[in-house]
Amino acid sequence: ELKVEQNPLFLSMQEGKNYTIYCNYSTTSDRLYWYRQDPGKSLESLFVLLSNGAVKQEGRLMASLDTKARLSTLHITAAVHDLSATYFCAVDISQGAQKLVFGQGTRLTINP
Amino acid sequence: GAGVSQSPSNKVTEKGKDVELRCDPISGHTALYWYRQSLGQGLEFLIYFQGNSAPDKSGLPSDRFSAERTGGSVSTLTIQRTQQEDSAVYLCASSLVWYEQYFGPGTRLTVT
Repeated sequence: ELKVEQNPLFLSMQEGKNYTIYCNYSTTSDRLYWYRQDPGKSLESLFVLLSNGAVKQEGRLMASLDTKARLSTLHITAAVHDLSATYFCAVDISQGAQKLVFGQGTRLTINP
Repeated sequence: GAGVSQSPSNKVTEKGKDVELRCDPISGHTALYWYRQSLGQGLEFLIYFQGNSAPDKSGLPSDRFSAERTGGSVSTLTIQRTQQEDSAVYLCASSLVWYEQYFGPGTRLTVT
């Protein structure tokens, strides 16, 4: 059974600091997704990583994928309060059906 | 343009009653997905439609759960004889290309 594990599950940090969220998964896949969820809201797609070594950046967020290590990271640079949310990684284990298995989520709180 | 919509946004029902949850995907999206988000289980895949067919029903937790899609558009998730453990947020997503899903706002189901 595929397991997707995020670390840490809870993260409280100060504005201006850098931090990394890790996503480990237990089976072969080269398709990994990062989503953001604000309280009471649905999931917003952040990044789609489709190959080994893929790196994508949007503003203060950067995501990378190492399929050999079965590891993806979401790096936050110089955090700002607006980035407070829960972040999920998800692994696609299907062949074209995009059946996603999600991590537990990382609740990120950024304090002024 | 219009995104994925779901109705109702909130549903409170008594244990043992049947409920129907509706999803309207983005127009033209051929694939449709149902997920469930609960405190205990996190985000779980339930079922996937390609057109009106459901090639993967592996995530449905019991035979009380069923789903259909008509006209390649609207989908209904039905839960019969609801139980308290069915309380969760039910999320629908749709996609046109295999690497991108768009999520709806969800239906919060509370079984009392």
